[in-house]
Amino acid sequence: GAGVSQTPSNKVTEKGKYVELRCDPISGHTALYWYRQSLGQGPEFLIYFQGTGAADDSGLPNDRFFAVRPEGSVSTLKIQRTERGDSAVYLCASSYSSGSSYNEQFFGPGTRLTVL
Amino acid sequence: KQEVTQIPAALSVPEGENLVLNCSFTDSAIYNLQWFRQDPGKGLTSLLLIQSSQREQTSGRLNASLDKSSGRSTLYIAASQPGDSATYLCAVMNNNAGNMLTFGGGTRLMVKP
Repeated sequence: GAGVSQTPSNKVTEKGKYVELRCDPISGHTALYWYRQSLGQGPEFLIYFQGTGAADDSGLPNDRFFAVRPEGSVSTLKIQRTERGDSAVYLCASSYSSGSSYNEQFFGPGTRLTVL
Repeated sequence: KQEVTQIPAALSVPEGENLVLNCSFTDSAIYNLQWFRQDPGKGLTSLLLIQSSQREQTSGRLNASLDKSSGRSTLYIAASQPGDSATYLCAVMNNNAGNMLTFGGGTRLMVKP
């Protein structure tokens, strides 16, 4: 079956611009996660959705970052007034449910964002 | 705050060797621990998930162990092959911090033919 998909695979933008990154989770997965990975480091948590609601957004670095999941499936990560420090690979993951030790997360290929 | 450390940061071995990758974490109150593989420029592929009540999991040539009380996990790769070359990441899910995964920095493995 289809895995987690993310678009675009690469995004180059100029400082100050607005960008949207899209994630399409595995069908039937109710939980969706966004992570950010800088070069040579492990991914860092940004935000987690259970259904349509953001259950935990404690990892968002500041108010320039926002994410939505209006119908409980596809999610969009939105970054306003991009800065060079936002350059990273943005990873999306999904899982069947939350609050369980059986909660295995499956990751998409990521979107590489470059802010010039 | 949970912190995850992976040692070594990089490892180069000849083909055929058995090897061990190490992962340690500071807070033992975890739901589970996952090992991932990441190829250059790619996403993460889940290799093994160990629940907090388990001691180990096996898949093919891979064996992962978990010692929750001491905050350690190891990934054992038997009879390594050049195709095993990748970055290996471990991640823990805390049972008091929602469902976020906290990742280590990874071990970059190179298996030489």
